[in-house]
Amino acid sequence: DAMVIQNPRYQVTQFGKPVTLSCSQTLNHNVMYWYQQKSSQAPKLLFHYYDKDFNNEADTPDNFQSRRPNTSFCFLDIRSPGLGDAAMYLCATSRDPAGMNTEAFFGQGTRLTVV
Amino acid sequence: RKEVEQDPGPFNVPEGATVAFNCTYSNSASQSFFWYRQDCRKEPKLLMSVYSSGNEDGRFTAQLNRASQYISLLIRDSKLSDSATYLCVVNMRSDYKLSFGAGTTVTVRA
Repeated sequence: DAMVIQNPRYQVTQFGKPVTLSCSQTLNHNVMYWYQQKSSQAPKLLFHYYDKDFNNEADTPDNFQSRRPNTSFCFLDIRSPGLGDAAMYLCATSRDPAGMNTEAFFGQGTRLTVV
Repeated sequence: RKEVEQDPGPFNVPEGATVAFNCTYSNSASQSFFWYRQDCRKEPKLLMSVYSSGNEDGRFTAQLNRASQYISLLIRDSKLSDSATYLCVVNMRSDYKLSFGAGTTVTVRA
């Protein structure tokens, strides 16, 4: 039943060791988002795709990259994780919001620990 | 100024009470508004969309005030299961970006 699936749910990585988080969706939504959420803070948008159009937030560190090879999948690559990158990473999708209110559907998140 | 601001709370209320809180947004071009609920260490889940005319879903009522740029959420007859963080989400349709508030924490006690 899950419509937005993130893998893994929990990821432990070493300081400086590249890590990739994945997200897949069965909703065929145009827009996919990656958010970073730290404890007691708002989810912070890192980037989003509208189809293949990539939109990077101005304050997203270069350490974070993303790929969307097709409609269903989106990846978040952290090239050299630092201790400050430990957080919950949330993937979300929404359909083309051009018409009317369209909510976002979230995956269960990947909790990243950097050791 | 943050794009979306919320009173963080916590709002501690007894079962059966009514609790209400607001969220302000800075961009007057914002088009879509939502309330999400987030339980501890879980993902946000849509509670309700907020329509211009205001809308109700059971014990939950949402209002939008475009002139003053805020939305509100009111919970009637609070249940223990309503304890959560409520996130205000604003969408500018022109760039598909969803902006989140930091959340308002509600704790309902027996």
